Amino acid sequence: DTGVSQNPRHKITKRGQNVTFRCDPISEHNRLYWYRQTLGQGPEFLTYFQNEAQLEKSRLLSDRFSAERPKGSFSTLEIQRTEQGDSAMYLCASSLVSGGWETQYFGPGTRLLVL
Amino acid sequence: AQKITQTQPGMFVQEKEAVTLDCTYDTSDQSYGLFWYKQPSSGEMIFLIYQGSYDEQNATEGRYSLNFQKARKSANLVISASQLGDSAMYFCAMREGLEDSSYKLIFGSGTRLLVRP
Repeated sequence: DTGVSQNPRHKITKRGQNVTFRCDPISEHNRLYWYRQTLGQGPEFLTYFQNEAQLEKSRLLSDRFSAERPKGSFSTLEIQRTEQGDSAMYLCASSLVSGGWETQYFGPGTRLLVL
Repeated sequence: AQKITQTQPGMFVQEKEAVTLDCTYDTSDQSYGLFWYKQPSSGEMIFLIYQGSYDEQNATEGRYSLNFQKARKSANLVISASQLGDSAMYFCAMREGLEDSSYKLIFGSGTRLLVRP
């Protein structure tokens, strides 16, 4: 399978704990995006990387959130001191920008439940 | 501000019939792209079809076609010959900007399609 993969698929944690999610993009893709989707809504942009550089962060990304993409390959999204409002689906997408428009391909997501 | 509006929270269609899912958008940019994604209950967002703002012809991908009406700022998805496996959430999304911008997608709230046997 050469698509975008995300781990874990599901995570249940207690309020106040830290969690980390991983995204492995399609291998030749140079852009990687994180989105958050709450129940009944469309995904909302959180942040994106061009290779290893994090170039934009949404206002939704509070100080408790941090994302990395070392060496421009996989990416991690960490949430510190989780709150119940963090419960959502976290989606990762990757794309190849090579002039003109690009298409983002999404992974299966990580469902987070904060108790 | 950029915005995508999907006014149909839910739709029913009979198997083998065609269905149109509505999408309107708001942008001040001349250059933008419009996408449709399908999200089954498993959660993965599956890319279906893309339309660029400068494309003169409506996009088609198999049973999917995009009815692009630029003056009305609408980009409706048409699914022909519906199948039971088409039952899912469908999201319209827009991306603005040129090559050096973020290319982040702005999504609508989605339409849940249920195909009846």
